[in-house]
Amino acid sequence: GAVVSQHPSWVICKSGTSVKIECRSLDFQATTMFWYRQFPKQSLMLMATSNEGSKATYEQGVEKDKFLINHASLTLSTLTVTSAHPEDSSFYICSARLAGVFRADTQYFGPGTRLTVL
Amino acid sequence: AQTVTQSQPEMSVQEAETVTLSCTYDTSESDYYLFWYKQPPSRQMILVIRQEAYKQQNATENRFSVNFQKAAKSFSLKISDSQLGDAAMYFCAYEGGSNYKLTFGKGTLLTVNP
Repeated sequence: GAVVSQHPSWVICKSGTSVKIECRSLDFQATTMFWYRQFPKQSLMLMATSNEGSKATYEQGVEKDKFLINHASLTLSTLTVTSAHPEDSSFYICSARLAGVFRADTQYFGPGTRLTVL
Repeated sequence: AQTVTQSQPEMSVQEAETVTLSCTYDTSESDYYLFWYKQPPSRQMILVIRQEAYKQQNATENRFSVNFQKAAKSFSLKISDSQLGDAAMYFCAYEGGSNYKLTFGKGTLLTVNP
């Protein structure tokens, strides 16, 4: 149990276009989801916290107009990278917080999405 | 702000041997959770073990166990009978407060030698 999926697993896009990444909790409901960014050989950097039905909370230094987050249901959160540029190329990982079932108070991670902006 | 420090960028161990990965953290909170996550080359983050701060007993999961020293703010991971599949980046993480955010250490790259 506690499976989180991400789609797509990798994407290549042209500079100036927008890319949407989906994060789904497959067998549980997640009131809170998180979006991370990871550069090669580095740790995970939290970008934003996404709560179902409310606006996302962004970490300091993360542009909310560039990284649009929508958490429309208890099983789906989306991250849209708007007007992508090569410096946005990175590995994006989502996680969903599982509470009350299975093992409480634990974040489970999606497999990640590799974004390359040309 | 909470910080998590992993002082060993890289570690290596012989197959079937035991290895300990270090982690220290800084917090002023009394109630929190600590985690070890594994990230293999696939980059999928996998939960290895978790520890609730209010529990004195150290968590164990098969070959994985922790040494949780709350007063010293230390949370080390011991891997017994190391296997080739244990080779990965290991991240120590802290969760405290009401926002459920995870703070990660910089990671320790574990190599398992056959």
